Amino acid sequence: SQQGEEDPQALSIQEGENATMNCSYKTSINNLQWYRQNSGRGLVHLILIRSNEREKHSGRLRVTLDTSKKSSSLLITASRAADTASYFCATDARKGYKLSFGAGTTVTVRA
Amino acid sequence: NAGVTQTPKFRVLKTGQSMTLLCAQDMNHEYMYWYRQDPGMGLRLIHYSVGEGTTAKGEVPDGYNVSRLKKQNFLLGLESAAPSQTSVYFCASSSSDGGRAETQYFGPGTRLLVL
Repeated sequence: SQQGEEDPQALSIQEGENATMNCSYKTSINNLQWYRQNSGRGLVHLILIRSNEREKHSGRLRVTLDTSKKSSSLLITASRAADTASYFCATDARKGYKLSFGAGTTVTVRA
Repeated sequence: NAGVTQTPKFRVLKTGQSMTLLCAQDMNHEYMYWYRQDPGMGLRLIHYSVGEGTTAKGEVPDGYNVSRLKKQNFLLGLESAAPSQTSVYFCASSSSDGGRAETQYFGPGTRLLVL
């Protein structure tokens, strides 16, 4: 079963706008990760946030984590056409080295 | 560094045929994983390995076998392919850090069609 679930399933925005997607999970975690997948490609790691962190930034990406609500959000600011991809959250559910992936949010950035 | 590579990129099988998917990584990672990705389902873990000579079952192991004879290689076998195994298969690897799940590095995927 999937530990993390992303919301929304799909998102369409204009270039330059911000994109926000959310991830909810069920059990306690050590860390939560976000990955990007371009069409026909493998997943690429974007950012990892540990359970004792509340916010993390990487370039135009901002990730928040609320362990009390068991949720995380990924914000992409000033979106570009190249940001068109599927975005997945992954949690470890305190099971060591295994990750559980959600079904993903598909983001389309319109020029 | 090539990172994680997968062979083949695409394969068509008939029901009942067997095949082996090869994954290789050049990052000296301890952990390796095989996932399958189906539309709307995200990634599901098939089998994984925490070191050379070790393997363990993931979420959907039935119909698959694996071997990790060398640290850099992780093989996924289908003994008797079924149409339900039509999917995109991804291999990943990660370093070990006190047993915690760290960043995983993914291969480009193998598209398998079973007729």
